Amino acid sequence: DAEITQSPRHKITETGRQVTLACHQTWNHNNMFWYRQDLGHGLRLIHYSYGVQDTNKGEVSDGYSVSRSNTEDLPLTLESAASSQTSVYFCASSESRYTEAFFGQGTRLTVV
Amino acid sequence: GDSVTQMEGPVTLSEEAFLTINCTHTATGYPSLFWYVQYPGEGLQLLLKATKADDKGSNKGFEATYRKETTSFHLEKGSVQVSDSAVYFCALSVNTNAGKSTFGDGTTLTVKP
Repeated sequence: DAEITQSPRHKITETGRQVTLACHQTWNHNNMFWYRQDLGHGLRLIHYSYGVQDTNKGEVSDGYSVSRSNTEDLPLTLESAASSQTSVYFCASSESRYTEAFFGQGTRLTVV
Repeated sequence: GDSVTQMEGPVTLSEEAFLTINCTHTATGYPSLFWYVQYPGEGLQLLLKATKADDKGSNKGFEATYRKETTSFHLEKGSVQVSDSAVYFCALSVNTNAGKSTFGDGTTLTVKP
């Protein structure tokens, strides 16, 4: 069965370090998204991609970057981790606006 | 920009009670509307969807009808179970953004035996 997987599931890092969260999907979807989930804010879009070599900023993109070198993967990089980036991060993919997004299990990141 | 407003929680119900979680949006045009459910420690998964006005999405006893005139997509279930305890998110996707969704803040439902 097709799926979307995130790794690691849990990560603790220190302020100022660079961190990369992995996202891999086998749905062959062109659209991929990164969200963060914080209490009281629901899901907020960080970055998204509509295909290989395409990346776009979402509403909370400062301090984050993504790259899309193939259809399956969209890694999220925190350039210099800050305590404000402690959150649960979700990756998702979708086929089109008419179809649902498929979510990974999430990565809980703690910046100390 | 587009926004989704859903009923604030948390919501606590007894088993077999009727559930309504309100959801309204401000998107223009013809958005697709979704309800997602998130169980503890898991990612979001689709519960139901509707892609045009007057469509009714349904799944696992949950229903929601796409009302264009009131820009609403309220979630309902006639008789909730303890296993329905979860966080519910209303979301929309508009035709200008190829699948980029806007989410409500989520409503936490707890069902007590």
